[in-house]
Amino acid sequence: QSVLTQPPSASGTPGQRVTISCSGSSSNIGSNTVNWYQQLPGTAPKLLVNSNNQRPSGVPDRFSGSKSGTSASLAISGLQSEDEADYYCAVWDDSLNGRVFGGGTKLTVL
Amino acid sequence: EVQLVESGGGLVQPGGSLRLSCAASGFTFSGYWMTWVRQAPGKGLEWVANIKQDGSEKYYVDSVKGRFTISRDNAKNSLYLQMNSLRAEDTAMYYCARSQGGPDYWGQGTLVTVSS
Repeated sequence: QSVLTQPPSASGTPGQRVTISCSGSSSNIGSNTVNWYQQLPGTAPKLLVNSNNQRPSGVPDRFSGSKSGTSASLAISGLQSEDEADYYCAVWDDSLNGRVFGGGTKLTVL
Repeated sequence: EVQLVESGGGLVQPGGSLRLSCAASGFTFSGYWMTWVRQAPGKGLEWVANIKQDGSEKYYVDSVKGRFTISRDNAKNSLYLQMNSLRAEDTAMYYCARSQGGPDYWGQGTLVTVSS
């Protein structure tokens, strides 16, 4: 059972907008910044969003992050087939004194 | 270009030991926290340990405390993970990552299998 709760799956059709949620608590999302990672099949994770809503260089602006209170979200607009991957949220937890990851959301492009 | 290359994985018996290494290049290694993250087969990501730039602070997930030790050699641009008393549940791909507000660049991983 992960400290951060994500839906196990999400889906959408090409061109659609999908959002993935990440629910935490005051000791993690409520007091620290959230990162989002994309993991394509058989590859290492890649940083998509850091500091709640900042995109590293090279990440398309179709990906956007937001945070409110103890929850965060990743939005993907203009869905493409190559977006089919696992997505993880992550944040430092002050109570656990460690970084925690969500359980991951498998995104399927129909 | 930031590069992180892990090595040292393999098959080990329960109760055995293994030392993972991560060779870093393309950035000032001594200027960053470093992290180990693992992923069991078919499962999600799990943070394992962090180490501060000068090695003065280290943090571990509860499940590896007392068994794993993270260390670094800034002169060799290298990160290490000494794993002792290995258990079947430690079987995973182990990723080395640079950390700046969380892992940003990741290596390709090294596979550790604990089995008799």
